[in-house]
Amino acid sequence: SQQGEEDPQALSIQEGENATMNCSYKTSINNLQWYRQNSGRGLVHLILIRSNEREKHSGRLRVTLDTSKKSSSLLITASRAADTASYFCATGDNAGNMLTFGGGTRLMVKP
Amino acid sequence: DADVTQTPRNRITKTGKRIMLECSQTKGHDRMYWYRQDPGLGLRLIYYSFDVKDINKGEISDGYSVSRQAQAKFSLSLESAIPNQTALYFCATSGTGTGSVEQYFGPGTRLTVT
Repeated sequence: SQQGEEDPQALSIQEGENATMNCSYKTSINNLQWYRQNSGRGLVHLILIRSNEREKHSGRLRVTLDTSKKSSSLLITASRAADTASYFCATGDNAGNMLTFGGGTRLMVKP
Repeated sequence: DADVTQTPRNRITKTGKRIMLECSQTKGHDRMYWYRQDPGLGLRLIYYSFDVKDINKGEISDGYSVSRQAQAKFSLSLESAIPNQTALYFCATSGTGTGSVEQYFGPGTRLTVT
């Protein structure tokens, strides 16, 4: 079973637009992480937000976390064609060190 | 050179064959993981190891076994491959720390069982 569920499953936007992806989860967490996967390749870690944090930035990425709603969002600003990939949220359990991945959002950025 | 490597990168095998997927890492991490990914889906944990003497089953361990030969090496075996084990397999590593820390993934092995 998957702890995190991403929404939407697929997103298509024009270059320069912002892309927002959402993740909902079911149980309490220690942290939530976002990963990126280019087609058929390994996942690359993007950003980690801890349960006591509400917002975090990294370059063009902005992540929010609402533990009361058990949800997170990933915003990519000023998207580029190179941002085309699948994006996964992963929740870290309180016991430590195990991640549970959601099903991912497939983002296509059209030039 | 890549920090986490997997061999082979692609493999086609027949039902009933035994196959081993290998993973090596140069990150010096104690923790290693094996996941599988099915088309259009996220990753599911097969096995994980927090050190050389520690092996644990994940969500979907049936039909798989693992061996942690050294801190840097973690192998996944399919004892008798079946077609529904056709998937993309990823190895990952992580360091120790408070709570879950980021994981570093290998490039994946695409396995097809005919």
